Amino acid sequence: GNSVTQMEGPVTLSEEAFLTINCTYTATGYPSLFWYVQYPGEGLQLLLKATKADDKGSNKGFEATYRKETTSFHLEKGSVQVSDSAVYFCALTLKTSYDKVIFGPGTSLSVIP
Amino acid sequence: GAVVSQHPSRVICKSGTSVKIECRSLDFQATTMFWYRQFPKQSLMLMATSNEGSKATYEQGVEKDKFLINHASLTLSTLTVTSAHPEDSSFYICSARDYGRGTDTQYFGPGTRLTVL
Repeated sequence: GNSVTQMEGPVTLSEEAFLTINCTYTATGYPSLFWYVQYPGEGLQLLLKATKADDKGSNKGFEATYRKETTSFHLEKGSVQVSDSAVYFCALTLKTSYDKVIFGPGTSLSVIP
Repeated sequence: GAVVSQHPSRVICKSGTSVKIECRSLDFQATTMFWYRQFPKQSLMLMATSNEGSKATYEQGVEKDKFLINHASLTLSTLTVTSAHPEDSSFYICSARDYGRGTDTQYFGPGTRLTVL
């Protein structure tokens, strides 16, 4: 079936540290891939996306590259800030008529000063 | 970016009552909206797909008579939790699919926290 796997959290980093959150997927066909961020008590915000192999999505210093050969979409940021503390969800959509979003389990990130 | 709103943001109700949650796309028309449920420290679970002018499609295990979905216009979908019980307490999030403006992206609402006493 179609699924998304993420590294387990929680992840705790010091401010200005390098961040990597691993994400791998299983899907039929060629999905679009997304990273969403959820701040405490809030809904989801789209952080970045990539719609085809080798595309790189980027936003607010975060980056992720769609790697078809390894079925991965790892999230990276060179220097995290306290304000980046949140839960990050990797997700995919399939090219179906409804484009349901399939979410990974989420990875909680805490950045300490 | 596109904005999706939900109302109310929080609701507390007594067991046995019904609660309606609204989801609106504010600056685009959405023929398709989705309703998710999120338990504490867990991922989102898709409950149903709402299509404007037709019946919603429910995911396996979701009771359609308990979670009534209406998508009466291109900018509004409602979820009604009927005869709510404490186990229905959860965070409900909607999303709206934006086809236009050269994109095909889902935008999520801020969520509604339902507490059933």
